Amino acid sequence: AQKITQTQPGMFVQEKEAVTLDCTYDTSDPSYGLFWYKQPSSGEMIFLIYQGSYDQQNATEGRYSLNFQKARKSANLVISASQLGDSAMYFCAMREPRNNDMRFGAGTRLTVKP
Amino acid sequence: DGGITQSPKYLFRKEGQNVTLSCEQNLNHDAMYWYRQDPGQGLRLIYYSQIVNDFQKGDIAEGYSVSREKKESFPLTVTSAQKNPTAFYLCASSADRGTGLSDTQYFGPGTRLTVL
Repeated sequence: AQKITQTQPGMFVQEKEAVTLDCTYDTSDPSYGLFWYKQPSSGEMIFLIYQGSYDQQNATEGRYSLNFQKARKSANLVISASQLGDSAMYFCAMREPRNNDMRFGAGTRLTVKP
Repeated sequence: DGGITQSPKYLFRKEGQNVTLSCEQNLNHDAMYWYRQDPGQGLRLIYYSQIVNDFQKGDIAEGYSVSREKKESFPLTVTSAQKNPTAFYLCASSADRGTGLSDTQYFGPGTRLTVL
């Protein structure tokens, strides 16, 4: 069964505007960790932000914030003030206590327009 | 600079040949991982290692082999038994043995393997 679902294969945003990338997940564990990675065309996966299931506040890292809605099992990434360099693939991932690895979604390709 | 290096960046292989992809890290991380990425898809785990001289199979280990003789090195061999090896291969490491929920994985630049 698909653990991580990213329903937006591609997204477009105008430079300097905010954009939300969707991620829903499926787990029966009360404890889990959620991650977002950026993959530019060069291929390297760059860690952006982490949210723990018991964290009281939504995670923020600079222009990145995570809209965490536990009851809905969603962990959407919000990028504020988009820049041309934000154009990339974005992957949502989850770690559960029973696993020693992370499960990745299929990704969303973000294109920032000038 | 601390980080993860993978070599080569591009690799071409003839059918029936084994090839080895290199992954080295100087972050002093305990755990290391190998993932495969196919076009338009997310990452799938091939193998991971939490400690030297120990490793476990991931979801798609068939046709691959690994070793972990040193903490900083985790080479992946793609054998001739792998039916469709053309893909992008990413190596990662994490500080703990991969058991902490917040244990972030950091990735190398990847190796693109093409079978001719």
